[in-house]
Amino acid sequence: GQQLNQSPQSMFIQEGEDVSMNCTSSSIFNTWLWYKQDPGEGPVLLIALYKAGELTSNGRLTAQFGITRKDSFLNISASIPSDVGIYFCAGTNSGYALNFGKGTSLLVTP
Amino acid sequence: EAQVTQNPRYLITVTGKKLTVTCSQNMNHEYMSWYRQDPGLGLRQIYYSMNVEVTDKGDVPEGYKVSRKEKRNFPLILESPSPNQTSLYFCASSLLTSTYEQYFGPGTRLTVT
Repeated sequence: GQQLNQSPQSMFIQEGEDVSMNCTSSSIFNTWLWYKQDPGEGPVLLIALYKAGELTSNGRLTAQFGITRKDSFLNISASIPSDVGIYFCAGTNSGYALNFGKGTSLLVTP
Repeated sequence: EAQVTQNPRYLITVTGKKLTVTCSQNMNHEYMSWYRQDPGLGLRQIYYSMNVEVTDKGDVPEGYKVSRKEKRNFPLILESPSPNQTSLYFCASSLLTSTYEQYFGPGTRLTVT
């Protein structure tokens, strides 16, 4: 499997700021996923994207499936302290084998 | 409560001493998977299973074995653990029709000395 390039590696922001992170791959995927891992927990699915160009929201989170099918973006608006955690992108073609990025660690100060 | 459970949560062992990490889910999921998480490397898939008696290798299967004799259980076996298998391990499960929405267990932190 291929590991995806996720950036930035970490972010340290103030409450209320917007956040952007992205994920790129040298291979095409037909599905992109974004997970969040709270400290001491397992990852939880935030958003799934199934179509190139698709823009999907989940509350303050918005994710986009790049039109080249080789990238994806996640935005968090008006960050709050509970947004703290590690955000992972994942790409898959089969659905059974997920290729994860290395994660973006987000810290939010009040 | 719907959940994925892993045992033990923490384990310190020595090189070469066989160990098993158990994983159990109560959601009647067909699909189960094991991942390891290492600093700076994210999550890497070890093995997955699409149903009873059906298993397949992920990205990093070397040094690991799995079995799926029952639908609810998917144990991870390290026959001869080595220090490079020190890691945080996650089990996950999902319906076969929606493997994207995997439910992860709480993790098992393994240290091999």
